[in-house]
Amino acid sequence: SQQGEEDPQALSIQEGENATMNCSYKTSINNLQWYRQNSGRGLVHLILIRSNEREKHSGRLRVTLDTSKKSSSLLITASRAADTASYFCAPSNFGNEKLTFGTGTRLTIIP
Amino acid sequence: DAGITQSPRHKVTETGTPVTLRCHQTENHRYMYWYRQDPGHGLRLIHYSYGVKDTDKGEVSDGYSVSRSKTEDFLLTLESATSSQTSVYFCAISGTPPNEQFFGPGTRLTVL
Repeated sequence: SQQGEEDPQALSIQEGENATMNCSYKTSINNLQWYRQNSGRGLVHLILIRSNEREKHSGRLRVTLDTSKKSSSLLITASRAADTASYFCAPSNFGNEKLTFGTGTRLTIIP
Repeated sequence: DAGITQSPRHKVTETGTPVTLRCHQTENHRYMYWYRQDPGHGLRLIHYSYGVKDTDKGEVSDGYSVSRSKTEDFLLTLESATSSQTSVYFCAISGTPPNEQFFGPGTRLTVL
């Protein structure tokens, strides 16, 4: 399995603004997942994007995938205090039973 | 937390003592995972299971063993706990990979 690297490591924005975080990986993938972790809790799956998809939406979340650049981005629109959390990406391939997580992006929403 | 529980939720133990953490699921998922999370390291996979009695090592398996005698239970054992094993331990379950993983609430282990 390969590890995604999230960037930036930390991000602080005002409530209502949009937040963008990025993920880079090294080898080809079949899909990429994004997870959120609130302080002291387990990770929660947000969205999965397949390698043949360029963009995917889920509520206020928008994920893009650029396989030529081996990168993905997660956009959270109209941020809320409840979005304060760490966000992790996990690139993977079919048949790969394991996910490898990086250190994540710590997002802080300032009320 | 998607039918997944961990016990205990908190434990303080002394160096050299054995410790067993339990992960229990009610989802009948085939795959179960144990991770540890430490500041600066993110989540690291310790061991995982792809079926009853079928397990394999992750990236940080030294000092840990696992067992899965039933679909619903995955045990993580520290045979002789060390201070370096102080961490937060998360269990996760999954259907056929690479589907999403569902995480438990975590166990905070302190080894003195």
